[in-house]
Amino acid sequence: SQKIEQNSEALNIQEGKTATLTCNYTNYSPAYLQWYRQDPGRGPVFLLLIRENEKEKRKERLKVTFDTTLKQSLFHITASQPADSATYLCAPSGGGRRALTFGSGTRLQVQP
Amino acid sequence: EAGVAQSPRYKIIEKRQSVAFWCNPISGHATLYWYQQILGQGPKLLIQFQNNGVVDDSQLPKDRFSAERLKGVDSTLKIQPAKLEDSAVYLCASSLDRQGITFYEQYFGPGTRLTVT
Repeated sequence: SQKIEQNSEALNIQEGKTATLTCNYTNYSPAYLQWYRQDPGRGPVFLLLIRENEKEKRKERLKVTFDTTLKQSLFHITASQPADSATYLCAPSGGGRRALTFGSGTRLQVQP
Repeated sequence: EAGVAQSPRYKIIEKRQSVAFWCNPISGHATLYWYQQILGQGPKLLIQFQNNGVVDDSQLPKDRFSAERLKGVDSTLKIQPAKLEDSAVYLCASSLDRQGITFYEQYFGPGTRLTVT
C-alpha cells in the first residue's frame, strides 16, 4: 500500500539557520508533490508544488527538491525565523486523483 | 476573497449521539473535500465532491458517516452514531478545478474539532 513518511520528531533549530524537512514515499509514482504548512488550530495552507520533471523549485526563502529515483522530497527554509514555526505536511499527488494523501507532518520549532 | 467557512468550530458529544458539520467553500470552487485529521496525523480524505456529485468516497465509513452537497455549493457532513474514535478535527477544503488543468491548490477551512466522550 502507499506510504508517506515524514520525521515524526520535532525539528528544533536556531533562528537564521536552514531547516531541512524530509518526505519519503513508497508504492507511489506521483506526478507532483505538494507541501503545506499547518499552524495549531488552523487548516493547512499551500506552499509549493513541484512536478516529477522538476528537480528543484524555489519561492522566496523556500526550496523544494524532488528525487523520483530515491522517492524523496526535501523541503528547505533558509534564514529561518520564529514565525516559520509550524507543522509542515507533504502530499505526493497526481495520477488523475485530485484529493490529497498527506504525510503525518513534521513540526518545526525555530528558536530566537 | 473570503476563505472556506466551517461551523461549528468545536463540538463535544457523547458516544452514540449524532453530529453535523457545515462547510461553505470559496465562491466558484467546483470541488469540495472533507478530511479527517486525528491528532498527530495528516489529514485523511473522507469524501470529494465535484459540483454536487460524489467523486471519491472510498474512505468514508458509510455505516455512520454521510455527506451531501446540495446545489453544488454548501456541504454538510454527518456522523450518526458517533464513536470515541471519531474524535478528530474535520477539515473542509475546496479547489477551483477546470477540465484539462492538472492542478489547483486546495484551500482549507479552520476545521471543526470534535470530541466524543
